[in-house]
Amino acid sequence: GQSLEQPSEVTAVEGAIVQINCTYQTSGFYGLSWYQQHDGGAPTFLSYNALDGLEETGRFSSFLSRSDSYGYLLLQELQMKDSASYFCAVRDRSGNTGKLIFGQGTTLQVKP
Amino acid sequence: DSGVTQTPKHLITATGQRVTLRCSPRSGDLSVYWYQQSLDQGLQFLIQYYNGEERAKGNILERFSAQQFPDLHSELNLSSLELGDSALYFCASSVGTGINEKLFFGSGTQLSVL
Repeated sequence: GQSLEQPSEVTAVEGAIVQINCTYQTSGFYGLSWYQQHDGGAPTFLSYNALDGLEETGRFSSFLSRSDSYGYLLLQELQMKDSASYFCAVRDRSGNTGKLIFGQGTTLQVKP
Repeated sequence: DSGVTQTPKHLITATGQRVTLRCSPRSGDLSVYWYQQSLDQGLQFLIQYYNGEERAKGNILERFSAQQFPDLHSELNLSSLELGDSALYFCASSVGTGINEKLFFGSGTQLSVL
């Protein structure tokens, strides 16, 4: 099966940089995804890493180390609107399903 | 707007009742997924359909069932409802089942069982 671990809460100030870590255990690996969810709203896709290294998309970057079964989401120049929950997720390996298994989520609180 | 439509947005019902949640995927998407999110919890995978057929099952209770219709919309049926079934239920869709495909989520149905 699959399992993911991420911190439950992170707090940072506006303008700062914050890193949200995710470690995973999976019988087969097909990449690590990150989703953002504002206050019970629809989760939205942020990034996907299939290979080791850093992927940058604007203020957000995502990193993956397959040998360490570890990844992180890096948010730079934090803004108040970045306050949200962030979920890492991995693909399920069994069959050709494409379903995503999500971590419990990290609640990011950005303070002025 | 993700293009995924879920109805109703809110549902209040009593224990023992049965409800149906509806989802219309994005145009062109063949895969539909249902997730349950309880208060301050992660997204728990319930079930997936691809082009009308069940593709994967998660920890879905026997009291719950789902189907995907020929027009690709999907319904999640919850019966013999219990207080613990109160949660936010999300539907998501993707084009197919590829390993790098991203999911597009609807706004969810907030179910309250009283």
